Amino acid sequence: DVKVTQSSRYLVKRTGEKVFLECVQDMDHENMFWYRQDPGLGLRLIYFSYDVKMKEKGDIPEGYSVSREKKERFSLILESASTNQTSMYLCASSLARTDEQFFGPGTRLTVL
Amino acid sequence: DQQVKQNSPSLSVQEGRISILNCDYTNSMFDYFLWYKKYPAEGPTFLISISSIKDKNEDGRFTVFLNKSAKHLSLHIVPSQPGDSAVYFCAASYQGGSEKLVFGKGTKLTVNP
Repeated sequence: DVKVTQSSRYLVKRTGEKVFLECVQDMDHENMFWYRQDPGLGLRLIYFSYDVKMKEKGDIPEGYSVSREKKERFSLILESASTNQTSMYLCASSLARTDEQFFGPGTRLTVL
Repeated sequence: DQQVKQNSPSLSVQEGRISILNCDYTNSMFDYFLWYKKYPAEGPTFLISISSIKDKNEDGRFTVFLNKSAKHLSLHIVPSQPGDSAVYFCAASYQGGSEKLVFGKGTKLTVNP
């Protein structure tokens, strides 16, 4: 079974803090994705990566950056957290870009 | 510009009856469609998919129908069970392109005992 793990289930940070969300997958997938889910807005793609050290912007990349130094690990960075970044963050991976994606359990981030 | 639309934010059905969740898309290049199910505080899990060369795919209680001319797909759950209560996301992609999956906004299904 594919396993996608995320470093924290719940996180509380203060405005202006730098926040790191980590995601690890164990299936040697090429592609990894970061989404946020908000009520009424569905899943919105922040960034994705199709190879180590490669990244592409998704639909809402502002205020975020990513890092992929190893194939199995994809990090989302909030450079200076703001209250409007309070959300559920979901990481996913897939073998091909357009294939079925496997999701992690999510990180509920609250920015105070 | 929403390429994948789920126009019903919520749906409520009785246990044992049929649940029908609908999804419309605008991009005629899409040739692969998926449904995901999401419980609160968990990540989405893949449910069922369909390729554009088919018009129906069945897996147990779940059937997905695709109407390419109408750019419409639907997920049927028969019979519905309380454990099916979740948010359902429709997603689409085209295999030959460089695009990723495009998700709809989701429909919250509640199955009442």
